[in-house]
Amino acid sequence: DQQVKQNSPSLSVQEGRISILNCDYTNSMFDYFLWYKKYPAEGPTFLISISSIKDKNEDGRFTVFLNKSAKHLSLHIVPSQPGDSAVYFCAASARDTDKLIFGTGTRLQVFP
Amino acid sequence: SQTIHQWPATLVQPVGSPLSLECTVEGTSNPNLYWYRQAAGRGLQLLFYSVGIGQISSEVPQNLSASRPQDRQFILSSKKLLLSDSGFYLCAWTELRYTEAFFGQGTRLTVV
Repeated sequence: DQQVKQNSPSLSVQEGRISILNCDYTNSMFDYFLWYKKYPAEGPTFLISISSIKDKNEDGRFTVFLNKSAKHLSLHIVPSQPGDSAVYFCAASARDTDKLIFGTGTRLQVFP
Repeated sequence: SQTIHQWPATLVQPVGSPLSLECTVEGTSNPNLYWYRQAAGRGLQLLFYSVGIGQISSEVPQNLSASRPQDRQFILSSKKLLLSDSGFYLCAWTELRYTEAFFGQGTRLTVV
């Protein structure tokens, strides 16, 4: 049972344009969401997070949007850079547990 | 500052052999500790998590086990490895709920 889903396994974007990565979840108890970036053979690194009391959080080129009614969040990267090419994971945690559940990942490729 | 150490980086083991992967965290006390596995096309699958010494929660029934003999030490074990245990294993820690998780560099396990 995949509680956090990233339905697009890959995304290709031209340098300078916007990258939009999507994530859907099924557990209404999730109240904290995070995005991670991962390079091959390395551990994921944290990018940005959002609490369920907010619908938007921005940090530099990265913005996360949360739509609780749709159980959907997205990560916007503007402008996209070649160094952004990596696998992006969304993750969620629920208020009644200490579990951190990850999605299946989306491979982003930013080309010149 | 806090650091997380995970070893070995790569491991090739025959089917039926035992496994022991170790993870230690420095610079913090009473962290939440996690073991994840990234298998091909499967995203980051939560295997075990621990909120304290001797407290282990298992997410996926399998032939793996975890132990936390010390506050900042988390061990992943198996008595007999299966081919399906191959994958990229990641240890992670969080200081509190609603904070980011920090990951080790991972162990590439190949069962042959």
